[in-house]
Amino acid sequence: SQQGEEDPQALSIQEGENATMNCSYKTSINNLQWYRQNSGRGLVHLILIRSNEREKHSGRLRVTLDTSKKSSSLLITASRAADTASYFCARNSGGSNYKLTFGKGTLLTVNP
Amino acid sequence: DGGITQSPKYLFRKEGQNVTLSCEQNLNHDAMYWYRQDPGQGLRLIYYSQIVNDFQKGDIAEGYSVSREKKESFPLTVTSAQKNPTAFYLCASNDIRGEQFFGPGTRLTVL
Repeated sequence: SQQGEEDPQALSIQEGENATMNCSYKTSINNLQWYRQNSGRGLVHLILIRSNEREKHSGRLRVTLDTSKKSSSLLITASRAADTASYFCARNSGGSNYKLTFGKGTLLTVNP
Repeated sequence: DGGITQSPKYLFRKEGQNVTLSCEQNLNHDAMYWYRQDPGQGLRLIYYSQIVNDFQKGDIAEGYSVSREKKESFPLTVTSAQKNPTAFYLCASNDIRGEQFFGPGTRLTVL
């Protein structure tokens, strides 16, 4: 089942602009993770945010988590053409394993 | 792609054939996963293994089988019972923080 849903499904911006992608989920989480996928390639881990955290940064990436609204957002600042990719959120519900449930992703296109 | 290799990159299957996709990791991770990705979609979990000689079904295990005889290896067999196997298959493993590392994928096409 895919319980993480990204919004929007597709986003097109100009280089230098900021890109914001949102993710909603339905059940409780242990952590939520964001991944990037270039066309036809494997996924690359970007950021993991735990349920007791509200914000994390990594370079030009900023992730926020609102567990009361069951939502997360990924902000990419000062976007570059090389940021063009699909971005997925994935939630881990904890327990005895690290299983992830992925959303359908947001396709980001950054135009030079 | 983080120390995980998948082979082959492209695979073609005839109707009624079983095919096996290879996944190897040198990251010393205990847990490994197989996902299926269809065009424009997210990843769906086929099987996962948390330790050698143990594995569990994911959300779409029907028509697939796996083995985990070695920590480094987690091959996936797509059997003839899988009626719509054309897809992109991704293998992953995770570290103790839960971050998953992915292989480059195998694109399977049914002829």
